[in-house]
Parts: sequence; structure tokens; C-alpha cells
Amino acid sequence: GAVVSQHPSRVICKSGTSVKIECRSLDFQATTMFWYRQFPKQSLMLMATSNEGSKATYEQGVEKDKFLINHASLTLSTLTVTSAHPEDSSFYICSARDRGLAGWSQYFGPGTRLLVL
Amino acid sequence: SQKIEQNSEALNIQEGKTATLTCNYTNYSPAYLQWYRQDPGRGPVFLLLIRENEKEKRKERLKVTFDTTLKQSLFHITASQPADSATYLCALDRTGANNLFFGTGTRLTVIP
Repeated sequence: GAVVSQHPSRVICKSGTSVKIECRSLDFQATTMFWYRQFPKQSLMLMATSNEGSKATYEQGVEKDKFLINHASLTLSTLTVTSAHPEDSSFYICSARDRGLAGWSQYFGPGTRLLVL
Repeated sequence: SQKIEQNSEALNIQEGKTATLTCNYTNYSPAYLQWYRQDPGRGPVFLLLIRENEKEKRKERLKVTFDTTLKQSLFHITASQPADSATYLCALDRTGANNLFFGTGTRLTVIP
């Protein structure tokens, strides 16, 4: 199946710093990528939908100025957590959509564990 | 409001038995439904997709059913193995949106 990579896999930062997470579709072109956040023992919560070459669409309650998303190419989307605080500590997962014979399938990256001290 | 429920937070079964996981939804008319596997600290892995006009889909030891009248999907793992232990998520395409809405997942443990 399609492969999506994320980098870094784990990051620890001090409160107030910014962290950038990269998401790449390795063997297909993704016009749409998604960013999710997952807290322990909870499901994935969609943060935003990222479309190549245009502004991201944010879900209700997600601050677009805090979570900057850039989808500069068909294989790369980045999420920057600006001025991170301890409450931003979470597991961030990106995914990309690929169309197959049966319909759309979404492929997920391995996730990035963010810990803000 | 739209809602997805996976009725068991955790399910324990003996190795070799069939595991059956349930996904119910309300206030939805999804075009398709997907099942994913998620291991601790990892991203979800796509398993199966079933469309609204399909009753059943199979892939190796996996079987998914989709009943749009009951608004329910069942996910079966036959001849379960300890390696099948993971959290299984169902997901629906959100009405009018180009993305997926996930259930809370069922944590399956297969006991040797």
C-alpha cells in the first residue's frame, strides 16, 4: 500500500518554542493531506485539512495561528506548532488520501510524539 | 449530531477464536466505511474499505459487513492470533466533507 512518512518521530521542546513536523507521501501524489491529534486512549481528532497550493481548512476549535500548515507540494505538508505549551503535548499524525479502485483510502504516517516541557 | 460508537473499549479473546468488533453510527449516510488497525505509539494502518452498496468484504482472515439499515458495521478476525492484538478503529467519511471521522476504537487482546 501507499507509504506516508513523518519526521521527526519524537520531539521534546521547551515551552514557547516552535516545532515543525513534516509529512511526506513517498510513492504517490496527495492533493489532500490531513493532520490529526490523538491524546492517550482517545481517538484521532482531525485538526485540519491541507490542500496543495491553497490554505488549509481548520476544524472548529483549532487555532490556525498556532498550528500553521503548509502544503507546498503534492508530496509534502508541514505542521508548525508555534509557541508550544505543555497542553500541546500530544501524538500528531498526518495522513494522505489516495484514490484506488474501490474508492478513497487514507494512509497514515507513523506519528510524531510531541512533549513540551 | 453525527456520532460513531465502537461498543467495546476492550475485548479479550482466546487465540484461535473469532473476534467480532462492532461499529454503530447515527445521523450519517456514509458512502463508505473503513477499518484501521493502530498499534501503541504508531499511526493507524488501513485494513479494509466497504462501500454502502456492499454487504460484505473479505481479506484473508478479515471480514467486514456493512448494514446501512441498522447503521452498523461488524469487523471479524477469524482464527485470531496474539499478533492481532491492537486497537481497531472504524471510520466514516463525514457528510459533505472530504475527510474521515473516527470511532474511539476497540482494544483487542488475543490471549495465547
